[in-house]
Amino acid sequence: NAGVTQTPKFQVLKTGQSMTLQCAQDMNHEYMSWYRQDPGMGLRLIHYSVGAGITDQGEVPNGYNVSRSTTEDFPLRLLSAAPSQTSVYFCAIRTGGGYGYTFGSGTRLTVV
Amino acid sequence: AQSVAQPEDQVNVAEGNPLTVKCTYSVSGNPYLFWYVQYPNRGLQFLLKYITGDNLVKGSYGFEAEFNKSQTSFHLKKPSALVSDSALYFCASNAGNMLTFGGGTRLMVKP
Repeated sequence: NAGVTQTPKFQVLKTGQSMTLQCAQDMNHEYMSWYRQDPGMGLRLIHYSVGAGITDQGEVPNGYNVSRSTTEDFPLRLLSAAPSQTSVYFCAIRTGGGYGYTFGSGTRLTVV
Repeated sequence: AQSVAQPEDQVNVAEGNPLTVKCTYSVSGNPYLFWYVQYPNRGLQFLLKYITGDNLVKGSYGFEAEFNKSQTSFHLKKPSALVSDSALYFCASNAGNMLTFGGGTRLMVKP
C-alpha cells in the first residue's frame, strides 16, 4: 500500500474517549477518503475530501469528524468513542484516470 | 443511489478447478466497477476494473471479470484456482465521489 500511511495500526479505547486516526499520502492526490470495514457489510464510506479545505459526508458519517488542511493529510476524529465504532478503518486515495483507488493498511480500533 | 450485491458469503472450490465469485450492481448511468482482494490482516489490493470497452476485463494474478449490462452483473472468474487465491473478495462500483462495496465473498480453495 505504498503512498498511503495510516497510524496507528491498532488502538483500544474506552467508551467516551476521543482519538484521531491519521492518514497521510505522499502522491499529491486531491481525493482522500475514510472507510470502515465490518463483517458482512463490506466497506462503508465515512467521509471524503476532494481537496484541501473541502470535505463531505459519506454513508456513515455520524460520530466522526474530519478536516483537510493540507493535501497530504486527512485525519479522522472520534470525539466520543462508542462500542459501535469498533471496526477496521481504511484510508483511501483516488489515483488518476479510471478512478483507481489505493488503500492504506488499516487501523484496527476496539472500543470497550 | 447505487448498490452492489455479492450473493454468496463464501465460495468453496478445489485447487485447479475454475472459480466464479458473483457480483450484481444497481447504478444509474454507466457503471465503473472494480474487484478488490483482501488477505488476512491486510488492506485491499486492486484486481481489475471495468470502465468501458470490452466486456471481458483481465486483471492481476490471472483473474478476469465479465461485465454483463443486461444482467447488471460483474462476476469475477479464474480458469484454475490456487490455494493462495484463498482470501476475501470485494466488488465495488464508483459513482461520483463514492465507492460503494458489496458485502464481500470469502473464497476458500482446498488442495
